[in-house]
Amino acid sequence: NAGVTQTPKFRILKIGQSMTLQCTQDMNHNYMYWYRQDPGMGLKLIYYSVGAGITDKGEVPNGYNVSRSTTEDFPLRLELAAPSQTSVYFCASSYLTSTDTQYFGPGTRLTVL
Amino acid sequence: AQSVTQPDIHITVSEGASLELRCNYSYGATPYLFWYVQSPGQGLQLLLKYFSGDTLVQGIKGFEAEFKRSQSSFNLRKPSVHWSDAAEYFCAVGDGAAGNKLTFGGGTRVLVKP
Repeated sequence: NAGVTQTPKFRILKIGQSMTLQCTQDMNHNYMYWYRQDPGMGLKLIYYSVGAGITDKGEVPNGYNVSRSTTEDFPLRLELAAPSQTSVYFCASSYLTSTDTQYFGPGTRLTVL
Repeated sequence: AQSVTQPDIHITVSEGASLELRCNYSYGATPYLFWYVQSPGQGLQLLLKYFSGDTLVQGIKGFEAEFKRSQSSFNLRKPSVHWSDAAEYFCAVGDGAAGNKLTFGGGTRVLVKP
């Protein structure tokens, strides 16, 4: 059981470039989440999904897009990278009910220059 | 809207001493409360959670937390800190709805002196 895996671990982008952050979980979890972590700010929810084909916005969705075609995968897309998107991105998943634990991946550190 | 405040940004504690991390939340209904720990360069790991019942909750690694509704608090404690407890700790409140979206506090970084 690998849990939640994220790729890449690190990435540097130029302003205006695009990229996809990959997230995969092998726990058959229904719920998946994308957070960003900025220093001193805790984690902010970007998007989440309650199942394949269903996604919804979180607190800070602007500049990002997601899709959920399978239970296992939940990629996060940055279309036009901006310096404000420099952050550490975490993917998480949980099983079914609202009280289930969220399991986090190791994170992707993204710098936009 | 729900919110979480962790008043202490940094705490330094000596190894073997007790530790208490403060968390205050704002939420209209019965809150779903969590404490997570993040070791350097790692993702977050759940320490404990509270939904209902006994207000003193036991977690992993010897941590416990107490829910106090009258004070809107969910403070985390450990009687005797080990050097491996040096990490950042996050309190979070969940909305309890489908998907249980979490709102995190800003975190408290704990340094352990030998």
